[in-house]
Amino acid sequence: ETGVTQTPRHLVMGMTNKKSLKCEQHLGHNAMYWYKQSAKKPLELMFVYNFKEQTENNSVPSRFSPECPNSSHLFLHLHTLQPEDSALYLCASSQDRDNNEQFFGPGTRLTVL
Amino acid sequence: DAKTTQPPSMDCAEGRAANLPCNHSTISGNEYVYWYRQIHSQGPQYIIHGLKNNETNEMASLIITEDRKSSTLILPHATLRDTAVYYCIVRGYSGAGSYQLTFGKGTKLSVIP
Repeated sequence: ETGVTQTPRHLVMGMTNKKSLKCEQHLGHNAMYWYKQSAKKPLELMFVYNFKEQTENNSVPSRFSPECPNSSHLFLHLHTLQPEDSALYLCASSQDRDNNEQFFGPGTRLTVL
Repeated sequence: DAKTTQPPSMDCAEGRAANLPCNHSTISGNEYVYWYRQIHSQGPQYIIHGLKNNETNEMASLIITEDRKSSTLILPHATLRDTAVYYCIVRGYSGAGSYQLTFGKGTKLSVIP
């Protein structure tokens, strides 16, 4: 256990569905991250939040919408996704955005039909 | 970010030391070297990081050459549970006052009984 939990662990959705991924950290960290890991591609950073403020958006399409209501919770809202968005979505946290000792959750395996 | 080069795969006998090399010939003076690993179906796990000096913790040792153009991660007594993809990352400035990690393809280490 890393202290970072993600739900659901698996999700299958159609292209017209709206769903949300949830991440929670119990480490008292102030920075949280969303990463995408597609098959045969390296891990890609999507969003960074530091003290609840979004500090990085790595050119992620608007069909992915993050939300960080407090330093312990991070959501990724999904809307009208494409099959190529199928991937493992990983959440991580660290003490702050400049501390790169990041703790990762187990990920949500997303399949878009 | 400075780029890293790692062998795609390596084998190591159980109980022996695993030495994982990484080349980062374009690293600049203030860039740290980080190592993470990802066991199958799990999120990445932080192992160790360093700037100039060799580092050791309960998981591994990191040896950085004097010119900082390469490094080696050493797992002193590899076990079957160390089978994973190991990522060598040079942490670089990503803009807006932030330093982030860029994951590559890593080295797939297989520990053989």
